[in-house]
Amino acid sequence: AQKITQTQPGMFVQEKEAVTLDCTYDTSDPSYGLFWYKQPSSGEMIFLIYQGSYDQQNATEGRYSLNFQKARKSANLVISASQLGDSAMYFCAMRESGFNKFYFGSGTKLNVKP
Amino acid sequence: GAVVSQHPSRVICKSGTSVKIECRSLDFQATTMFWYRQFPKQSLMLMATSNEGSKATYEQGVEKDKFLINHASLTLSTLTVTSAHPEDSSFYICSHAPLGAGQPQHFGDGTRLSIL
Repeated sequence: AQKITQTQPGMFVQEKEAVTLDCTYDTSDPSYGLFWYKQPSSGEMIFLIYQGSYDQQNATEGRYSLNFQKARKSANLVISASQLGDSAMYFCAMRESGFNKFYFGSGTKLNVKP
Repeated sequence: GAVVSQHPSRVICKSGTSVKIECRSLDFQATTMFWYRQFPKQSLMLMATSNEGSKATYEQGVEKDKFLINHASLTLSTLTVTSAHPEDSSFYICSHAPLGAGQPQHFGDGTRLSIL
């Protein structure tokens, strides 16, 4: 089974609007971390936000917030007030405490329209 | 945060050439480094985990003799693509993450390898 599933290959959003990128995960490890990364066309991977499995509150970092629904095993990224510079690939990733590796989703290509 | 420096950023070379990619940790000591390969419009595929002072751990399906990984010091890990062919053309990226489920990866800027 896929550890991380991103079901939206591509998304469009109007500038200044909010957008939600979906991510579901699969693990039996009670301790895990969930991460979102942004990859612009230049290729570098930029860490955006982290959510721990034991965190009671949803993580927020500036315009980024993570809608964490543990029972549903989902960790959706919400970008508020989209900007043209937000156009990029976005990857959801998970790290389990028992394993020193990360699992990545297939990514979502976000296009912000002016 | 941790800084990972990856060189070169782009390589274009002839088929049959061996290409070395370096990944350096600039402000921390890295006992492990991750090496990924990424095809266009696809996700990152973990190739191997390099371990300082010992053999790398390769993922299933990755040719060890093709992709030589060396982690001789706490600040340098290298990936050598031996006798490269056009099908080895790809984006290669390294990363480091301290141990712990809550620790994010810090990535190098990647290397675009093009084999003619």
